[in-house]
Amino acid sequence: DIVMTQSPDSLAVSLGERATINCKSSQSALYSPNNNNSLGWYQQKPGQPPKLLIKWASTRESGVPDRFSGSGSGTDFTLTISSLQAEDVAVYYCQQYFTTPLTFGGGTKVEIK
Amino acid sequence: EVHLVESGGGLVHPGGSLRLSCAASGFTLRSHWMHWVRQAPGKGLVWVSRINFDGSSLLYADSVEGRFTISRDNSKNTLYLQMKGLRAEDTAVYYCAREANDGDVFDFWGQGTLVTVSS
Repeated sequence: DIVMTQSPDSLAVSLGERATINCKSSQSALYSPNNNNSLGWYQQKPGQPPKLLIKWASTRESGVPDRFSGSGSGTDFTLTISSLQAEDVAVYYCQQYFTTPLTFGGGTKVEIK
Repeated sequence: EVHLVESGGGLVHPGGSLRLSCAASGFTLRSHWMHWVRQAPGKGLVWVSRINFDGSSLLYADSVEGRFTISRDNSKNTLYLQMKGLRAEDTAVYYCAREANDGDVFDFWGQGTLVTVSS
């Protein structure tokens, strides 16, 4: 199974500042047919289901604010919130879909400093 | 608007059975592969099972293989998860999730239904 490791486990960022979350895959998630990385990012607010933010490592879902961006390739990926807003307080998960079983990172809790 | 509504959760004794349902609306269920994902209290997300368009291809996590059965009734726009031989470690919120058309990411999720396995 591909193991997804997120860091840090939690971080506190001031409003308007940048938040950076890392995700490392135990194997490459590069999908050769389209040369894209099979990596998604989700946001989960308390008491709510997860929400897909980004797929293919860097493609934002429709309606997701452009302060959210994804980057990386192969085994190392990053989710960046360029200017943290109060409504961004949540747990963020990465997920690989290169192969089954589909696996998630352990989550990163983002709070306001 | 896409909606997924799970039902069927509850308290069950170890070794017991439960069937979860997920009613889909706002889209054509038969056009999407569907999944179940669970989340133990205070823990992270764990993929459980996947079913293709017509139910001819099924896949399970090792932890539930042989105990859980995923199925779907496209005529009723409903996804199911039959769970047998339940264990304490199966205690979790169970989400049904729609697979996006361009990759095994989950573009819509239900609100989840809580399954508690306890004596």
